[in-house]
Amino acid sequence: DSGVTQTPKHLITATGQRVTLRCSPRSGDLSVYWYQQSLDQGLQFLIQYYNGEERAKGNILERFSAQQFPDLHSELNLSSLELGDSALYFCASSAGTSATHNEQFFGPGTRLTVL
Amino acid sequence: AQKVTQAQTEISVVEKEDVTLDCVYETRDTTYYLFWYKQPPSGELVFLIRRNSFDEQNEISGRYSWNFQKSTSSFNFTITASQVVDSAVYFCALSEYGNNRLAFGKGNQVVVIP
Repeated sequence: DSGVTQTPKHLITATGQRVTLRCSPRSGDLSVYWYQQSLDQGLQFLIQYYNGEERAKGNILERFSAQQFPDLHSELNLSSLELGDSALYFCASSAGTSATHNEQFFGPGTRLTVL
Repeated sequence: AQKVTQAQTEISVVEKEDVTLDCVYETRDTTYYLFWYKQPPSGELVFLIRRNSFDEQNEISGRYSWNFQKSTSSFNFTITASQVVDSAVYFCALSEYGNNRLAFGKGNQVVVIP
């Protein structure tokens, strides 16, 4: 158990809908990362937050947004869903500042299926 | 841009054989960090090792060992005396200095046959 929790574990929805994925980092970790794992794209970095502020952005679609709250939990919002958004979404957290490159610990993931 | 290549997609070995997974990386930075993660069939990603670019010492942890060679931009991973529980996908990843995002390779699917 990495100490990172993600809910829900599975999500099935229809095209055009909006969903919210939730992540709680390990106790004390200020950095939260979101990654998408799909068969065609592999594991891809989406976005990073550090202590409530956005720190880095990857290939995140404009339909996707995220935030980190004062209690350090994070949410990833996916809207206008398309079939191609079906994937496993991971949240990870790490200790230290955003400059320390500590190892990232991953949550169990949320499997999103868009029908 | 950072890039990680794991050429072997699926590797099958018989239990107790050794298996080596190759990881070749590309970066323009002189300071960078390399990682290996394991993804068992249950789906979670498990951290195995972190290495910075200034530390070329090889590392051994139980049946796992890592060989880091800057001259060939490689960070290879060996499982000695493989066991069925080692069956998983193994990912190599790279992050560059000042940028914590992990760039992952495509992964190596290891199948250990009893």
